[in-house]
Amino acid sequence: SQKIEQNSEALNIQEGKTATLTCNYTNYSPAYLQWYRQDPGRGPVFLLLIRENEKEKRKERLKVTFDTTLKQSLFHITASQPADSATYLCALESNFGNEKLTFGTGTRLTIIP
Amino acid sequence: GAGVSQSPSNKVTEKGKDVELRCDPISGHTALYWYRQRLGQGLEFLIYFQGNSAPDKSGLPSDRFSAERTGESVSTLTIQRTQQEDSAVYLCASSPTVHTDTQYFGPGTRLTVL
Repeated sequence: SQKIEQNSEALNIQEGKTATLTCNYTNYSPAYLQWYRQDPGRGPVFLLLIRENEKEKRKERLKVTFDTTLKQSLFHITASQPADSATYLCALESNFGNEKLTFGTGTRLTIIP
Repeated sequence: GAGVSQSPSNKVTEKGKDVELRCDPISGHTALYWYRQRLGQGLEFLIYFQGNSAPDKSGLPSDRFSAERTGESVSTLTIQRTQQEDSAVYLCASSPTVHTDTQYFGPGTRLTVL
């Protein structure tokens, strides 16, 4: 069956360090992968999209990699700040024809001052 | 409008009652999605609308759930004979076209079934 797994339920990182979140998937051939941020009591907010033919994409302090051989995406936040504390969700769009966006359960990131 | 809006923000109902949740998408967005998020869980796809095409209802968990959309505007998600397991946050999202664009989410409606 298709599955999306995000590395851990919660991740605590010291301020200033790089936070790395993982998203692993099985039985998908995604045309692209997206990362969203969700704060408590709010809907997810889009951060980055990376396509299957792209290895890496950057936006300010954010970097996303996409390895279709390993079936994994890594999401990095460099020079992390307490304001980066949130839940981060990865989402896949399959190119099998069933083109729904499927979300992982998310990783709750806390940046410790 | 400036973003996707949902109403009510909170809804408490008794088991067995019907509820209606409303979503106002961003103007001009042809695609609209409903998701359910249980406490501490990921987003569970329910249904999506794309323009005038027949909606994809494959995520609706039972026939107690239904949704309508008027053209490319407001959508209503209806849950009949609510059960306690229906308690969750119901999120609506819209995008300019289906699937290939990012989704813009509303704040959600928190439904509590007593």
